[in-house]
Amino acid sequence: QVQLVESGGGVVQPGRSLRLSCAASGFSFSSIAIHWVRQAPGKGLEWVADIWGDGSKKYYGESVEGRFTISRDNSKNTVYLQMNSLRVDDAAVYYCARAPLGRGYFDYWGQGTLVTVSS
Amino acid sequence: DIQMTQSPSSLSASIGDRVTITCRASQDISTYLAWYQQKPGKVPKLLIYAASTLQSGVPSRFGGSGSGTDFTLTISSLQPEDVATYYCQKYNSAPFTFGPGTKVDIK
Repeated sequence: QVQLVESGGGVVQPGRSLRLSCAASGFSFSSIAIHWVRQAPGKGLEWVADIWGDGSKKYYGESVEGRFTISRDNSKNTVYLQMNSLRVDDAAVYYCARAPLGRGYFDYWGQGTLVTVSS
Repeated sequence: DIQMTQSPSSLSASIGDRVTITCRASQDISTYLAWYQQKPGKVPKLLIYAASTLQSGVPSRFGGSGSGTDFTLTISSLQPEDVATYYCQKYNSAPFTFGPGTKVDIK
């Protein structure tokens, strides 16, 4: 069955970096775009970034453009989110989610990993 | 970028009531609209995509309609397990913006 498992969250100081991972299984990974969506405590959902199955295209939300980098290793069925210059308002649960072929809605989500940004 | 709004921001309804949530896009997105349900402490769940197509396994009391800029999510008969926050999302192109959410609870 389809599974997405995030890891890498934790507590980090403002200005520092963190790398999140999303390990996938149960589907043809290299054919599927993977997205990151975040949710600050008590707030709504915010789309963060996505990467096409072959890694050829990447898109970012305005609030993370230039600070975050999405990448993937199809040999490891894993997507990464490198987060640099972290700010207090980047604190959130970060979910990875799968978009069905050629679509931009998300049919499977991981359980999320919590990122806390605090001095 | 296209902005997404939802109304109301919250509502209370009785068991069995018909509930309607509205989502509006600031520009035409055709039917590239999805709806998600997020129960407290849980991961979001896809309910509807392409504005009106029910995701497999979702109860038939959920329905979606609309195109262009105006969309509606309807729960035909509210059940206790429907207590959740509901989000719309545009997916015609990046950024894949979510609406601010509508919190539904039982009166």
